[in-house]
Amino acid sequence: AQSVTQLDSQVPVFEEAPVELRCNYSSSVSVYLFWYVQYPNQGLQLLLKYLSGSTLVKGINGFEAEFNKSQTSFHLRKPSVHISDTAEYFCAVSVTAAGNKLTFGGGTRVLVKP
Amino acid sequence: DAGVTQSPTHLIKTRGQQVTLRCSPISGHKSVSWYQQVLGQGPQFIFQYYEKEERGRGNFPDRFSARQFPNYSSELNVNALLLGDSALYLCASGHAGVDTEAFFGQGTRLTVV
Repeated sequence: AQSVTQLDSQVPVFEEAPVELRCNYSSSVSVYLFWYVQYPNQGLQLLLKYLSGSTLVKGINGFEAEFNKSQTSFHLRKPSVHISDTAEYFCAVSVTAAGNKLTFGGGTRVLVKP
Repeated sequence: DAGVTQSPTHLIKTRGQQVTLRCSPISGHKSVSWYQQVLGQGPQFIFQYYEKEERGRGNFPDRFSARQFPNYSSELNVNALLLGDSALYLCASGHAGVDTEAFFGQGTRLTVV
């Protein structure tokens, strides 16, 4: 079985400041890693995913994440946030590369302040 | 191109009733997955269907069932509704192949009173 822990439930941040969202996972088998964003009253949109290769993954909207196998972490970062980045962010793992059976963390709500 | 569409967008049911939620995948996608997202929590995997066969089931009671039709659309049924079934139900479709992603619909908000 897999589990995902997002260490921060809420992260307030000022516009143009950097942000880091922390994610740790636990699994007895190899997994693939994903970050999703959910804007209010909408479904989930994929930001980025780690399947293999370089441990630094770049995604959409200026986000990037780094896979650390020894620490079983997959933290998400953005160097400069915008008001439009206000949303809920979910880290997820899957045993399939297509991410068809995802195990999600509890989410981190990012509130960007002007 | 149309994305994943779910219907209805909202509905209210009474405890003990039954509900059917519907999902139309992106054209060409043969895999459909269902998730339950309780307010303030992350989504939880309920079912995956691929080519009309169940390929995975999460830790949900037998009151939850689903099926996939020849056109790859899917229905999620929940019987004997409980207050705790109130949630956003999300459907995701994909190719089920390597290096693809699951695309999510906007969900159906179910309220059980």
